[in-house]
Amino acid sequence: DIQMTQSPPSLSASVGDRVTITCRASRSISSFLNWFQQKPGTAPKLLIFSASNLQSGVPSRFSGSGSGTDFTLTISDLQPEDFATYYCQQSFFTPYTFGQGTMLDI
Amino acid sequence: QVKLVESGGGVVQPGRSLRLSCSASGFTFSASPMHWVRQAPGKGLEWVAVISPDGNNEHPADSVKGRFTVSRDNSKNTLSLHMNDLRPEDTAVYYCARQRVRNGQNPLDVWGQGTLVTVSS
Repeated sequence: DIQMTQSPPSLSASVGDRVTITCRASRSISSFLNWFQQKPGTAPKLLIFSASNLQSGVPSRFSGSGSGTDFTLTISDLQPEDFATYYCQQSFFTPYTFGQGTMLDI
Repeated sequence: QVKLVESGGGVVQPGRSLRLSCSASGFTFSASPMHWVRQAPGKGLEWVAVISPDGNNEHPADSVKGRFTVSRDNSKNTLSLHMNDLRPEDTAVYYCARQRVRNGQNPLDVWGQGTLVTVSS
């Protein structure tokens, strides 16, 4: 199985800040890396697919980069609604493993 | 409007069985691989299983292999997760999700609201 390692596990930031979350795969997954946002009591929401493609309706302050084994999610100009938990997931090979999550709080 | 709605969750004793359903609408269900993902209370997301668009191929995670089976009825736009020999560690919110396959990209782009399964005596 492909292991996904996310860091940091938690992150504190302020409105207006720029933050970066990283995700590392245990072996190359090309660009088959997706990022999700989850708020308490709700389903995950797709933000970025295929490493760097913004899902329709997602604000442009979210961006993704990387390929192979190392990926990043960057949120620029943090807004109050961005405080949530973020997960990476590889869709290169089943099982489609998730990272452990990064909790972003104020 | 693309939508997925899960149902069938509840409290069940260890060793018993339960079937979850996921009703799809607003898209061509028969063309989409479908997944189940779960989340134990206070924990992260765990991928559970996938089934091919025609229902002929399924792949479960090792943690549920031999106990959980995925099926689908494309005539009714319904996905099912048949869970046998349930264990306390299966306690989680179970989500169904659509996999969008297009131009070589394949994210899980639509999720249901989830249904809670609690395994307890």
